[in-house]
Amino acid sequence: TQLLEQSPQFLSIQEGENLTVYCNSSSVFSSLQWYRQEPGEGPVLLVTVVTGGEVKKLKRLTFQFGDARKDSSLHITAAQPGDTGLYLCAGLQTGANNLFFGTGTRLTVIP
Amino acid sequence: NAGVTQTPKFRILKIGQSMTLQCAQDMNHNYMYWYRQDPGMGLKLIYYSVGAGITDKGEVPNGYNVSRSTTEDFPLRLELAAPSQTSVYFCASSYSRQGNEQFFGPGTRLTVL
Repeated sequence: TQLLEQSPQFLSIQEGENLTVYCNSSSVFSSLQWYRQEPGEGPVLLVTVVTGGEVKKLKRLTFQFGDARKDSSLHITAAQPGDTGLYLCAGLQTGANNLFFGTGTRLTVIP
Repeated sequence: NAGVTQTPKFRILKIGQSMTLQCAQDMNHNYMYWYRQDPGMGLKLIYYSVGAGITDKGEVPNGYNVSRSTTEDFPLRLELAAPSQTSVYFCASSYSRQGNEQFFGPGTRLTVL
């Protein structure tokens, strides 16, 4: 069983479109992170959210942490080809030393 | 700073062979991690360490061993390689558990035939 489920698993859109990626769990997390991974490289942190209901913006990317701290979403406005990559959410449970990673969403933005 | 470095980048093993994946970081991070990434499965934690001399199992430790004799190095040992260990292996490090931003190496792509 997977602690964090992401949807959709694959997403292919045209440049300029908007999209939302979801990260869901039945467990509560003290914090949740989003990473982006490009082919042949390791994941790179985009954002950390720690408060239920928190919204963070990073240019065209908007991240939200659910009120109950069990889920999160990533919304991209006017997607660009440079947004192409694998998006991973990762949650830290209270008292744990390590992150649990989601299944990932592979995004392709077509010029 | 080089960040997190991993060697080798690629390796092909025969069933039953052994090898060590090397990982080093120059950021003076206490926490280090080994993950494997299989297609469509995200990242699974193999082992982690909270400091020199301290290691602990993650979600999928079977078939692997680690050691942490220094803050900088965290090698992963595969004994008796099996096809199920074909994967991409990532090493990561973080300064602390709080916030726990992890910095990843470039990965080692391992194929066991």
